[in-house]
Amino acid sequence: AQSVAQPEDQVNVAEGNPLTVKCTYSVSGNPYLFWYVQYPNRGLQFLLKYITGDNLVKGSYGFEAEFNKSQTSFHLKKPSALVSDSALYFCAVRDFGGDTGGFKTIFGAGTRLFVKA
Amino acid sequence: GAVVSQHPSRVICKSGTSVKIECRSLDFQATTMFWYRQFPKQSLMLMATSNEGSKATYEQGVEKDKFLINHASLTLSTLTVTSAHPEDSSFYICSARLGQTTQNQPQHFGDGTRLSIL
Repeated sequence: AQSVAQPEDQVNVAEGNPLTVKCTYSVSGNPYLFWYVQYPNRGLQFLLKYITGDNLVKGSYGFEAEFNKSQTSFHLKKPSALVSDSALYFCAVRDFGGDTGGFKTIFGAGTRLFVKA
Repeated sequence: GAVVSQHPSRVICKSGTSVKIECRSLDFQATTMFWYRQFPKQSLMLMATSNEGSKATYEQGVEKDKFLINHASLTLSTLTVTSAHPEDSSFYICSARLGQTTQNQPQHFGDGTRLSIL
């Protein structure tokens, strides 16, 4: 079955340092992968997606993610973290729901990022 | 672009009342809309998928008669929590996607509705 794992509940990083939020996935076919960010008491905002093509995907707010097929990973990265990047980050994979209604998105449990000044 | 507006942002009501939450796609036509429920410190739980003009498809374990979903137009979907009880208190988030089978389009989310049942 398709699944998404975010192994870290929380990531702490100092402002200005690079950050990585990890995500691994399991799908039966070609993966469609997404990253979203959620600020407190808000809905999710789309950051970036991988469908096909270059393994390094660039997205909003300076974030990027690298698709690694052999490791089945899609880690989110940013070269220099900002305090304003502190939020909850969700990795997601597009899954075919079969009888439950076509394609749907499965979300990881989320990783809370804290960036300290 | 791709703005999804969800209303109300917060609602507090007495046990036994029904609550309607609206989800609108403001600048695109959303053939497919999704309703999620998010518990504290947890990920999103998909409740149902709705396609414009047809009945919603509910995930296993979600009560259809309790959570009524209407998707009558390409820009509006509503979720009605009927006879709400304290255990229905949660953060409800809607999402919209352009196209019914467009696999590579991201979902766009509303800001969520915090529902508190007293």
